[in-house]
Amino acid sequence: QAGLTQPPSVSKGFRQTATLTCTGNSNNVGNQGAAWLQQYQGHPPKLLSYRNDNRPSGISERFSASRSGNTASLTITGLQPEDEADYYCSAWDSSLSAVVFGGGTKLTVL
Amino acid sequence: QVQLVQSGAEVKKPGASVKVSCKASGYTFTSYDINWVRQATGQGLEWMGWMNPNSGNTGYAQKFQGRVTMTRDTSISTAYMELSSLRSEDTALYYCARGNEGAPDYWGQGTLVTVSS
Repeated sequence: QAGLTQPPSVSKGFRQTATLTCTGNSNNVGNQGAAWLQQYQGHPPKLLSYRNDNRPSGISERFSASRSGNTASLTITGLQPEDEADYYCSAWDSSLSAVVFGGGTKLTVL
Repeated sequence: QVQLVQSGAEVKKPGASVKVSCKASGYTFTSYDINWVRQATGQGLEWMGWMNPNSGNTGYAQKFQGRVTMTRDTSISTAYMELSSLRSEDTALYYCARGNEGAPDYWGQGTLVTVSS
C-alpha cells in the first residue's frame, strides 16, 4: 500500500539545524497528522512527536514537529552527534484504514 | 514504567507458522491498542495491523490479510501475532508497539523471525 515520502538522507553540520520532511496526502498526513520516530541501528524506534506537534515527556525541546497541508516536518536544532539516526514518519490513512510509514531518512551529523 | 517484552527469536521453515507474544506491564493493558510492525534487515518499518485488547477487534494491512491473526489474553496482559504460510521474505524483526493517540509510543524489543529451509 502507498506510503509516505521521505528523503533517503540528510546531512548537516554539528550545531546546525536539520529539517526532515514527510509528504503524504489528504487521507493521511493532511487529515490525521503525522508522528515522528527515531531509530538507532539495532534498537526499536522511539516516538519523538505525535499528532504533528505533541512531544512525549522526556523528548528534548530541540525536536519540534509541524505540518503544512499534506507535508509534515521534523526540525532538529543544535545538532549533536547522537542525533545521527534514522527518522521515520507515520500516519493513519483513513482511506486504507491502515498505518502508513515513510521510507525513513538517515540523518548524518557532519 | 511501561514495558513491552516480546518472546524470543524463532527459526521456521517455509510454509510454517510463527506466533510471537508481547507481554505488557506498567499500564492498563486493555486501555491502549497494540500495533505490530516489522522490519527486514536494513529496510524500513512496515505496519502489519492493530488490535484493541479490550474488545479484541483487529485491523490488518491488506498485504497480510488472510495470513496474520492478532489475539490477546487479558488475564496475563499479553498480545499475540501469528503469521502463517511463511516465506523467506517474511524474515524480519517483528515489533509490538502500544498505540496512543494514533502513534506508537512504546515498543517491544523486537523478535527476530528467520524463515529458512
